[in-house]
Amino acid sequence: RKEVEQDPGPFNVPEGATVAFNCTYSNSASQSFFWYRQDCRKEPKLLMSVYSSGNEDGRFTAQLNRASQYISLLIRDSKLSDSATYLCVVNRAHTGGGNKLTFGTGTQLKVEL
Amino acid sequence: DAGITQSPRYKITETGRQVTLMCHQTWSHSYMFWYRQDLGHGLRLIYYSAAADITDKGEVPDGYVVSRSKTENFPLTLESATRSQTSVYFCASSELAGTTYEQYFGPGTRLTVT
Repeated sequence: RKEVEQDPGPFNVPEGATVAFNCTYSNSASQSFFWYRQDCRKEPKLLMSVYSSGNEDGRFTAQLNRASQYISLLIRDSKLSDSATYLCVVNRAHTGGGNKLTFGTGTQLKVEL
Repeated sequence: DAGITQSPRYKITETGRQVTLMCHQTWSHSYMFWYRQDLGHGLRLIYYSAAADITDKGEVPDGYVVSRSKTENFPLTLESATRSQTSVYFCASSELAGTTYEQYFGPGTRLTVT
């Protein structure tokens, strides 16, 4: 079983739609959680951190359920510019010090006119 | 320019050749990382470094060597390239900051081994 699992999509949605992505992680020792965005043939960039209380950044809302080991990302009022691959990322401390990020394979979103 | 850069951006090499991918960051971040990204696998950690002269293996280190003599540089060497090492390689850096641990990625190097 992969440490971080995501539905690969693609999710094809019309502009203005609301879309939700889900992610599950297997390691209960995971400490921090993130969503990264990756545009085609570009590097990943941090979209937002995910907190247990849930957090919102404009049209984006992230939720974490530690008991179910489940993370979600909700995008409201989708824009064409939201088209990208969204990577679910978890972080846990490891014996060598520092922190290790484990990336999901990503969910592809295509927003259409 | 400030940031994290990688060179070369594109490289084609032959099986058995030694290849070095360069990574340079100007933020003086303590941590640096090398990942490879392949379809169906996502980003996988090859090696990381917590500081100059401190390196450790990640998930897929076989066939790779790293060094970090200076904080700002973290080169990745493929000692004898194989076709299975055809991939996109990303370098990243981070500085522990509370619970954020954001990693900043370079633009990537697309490596093809023929």
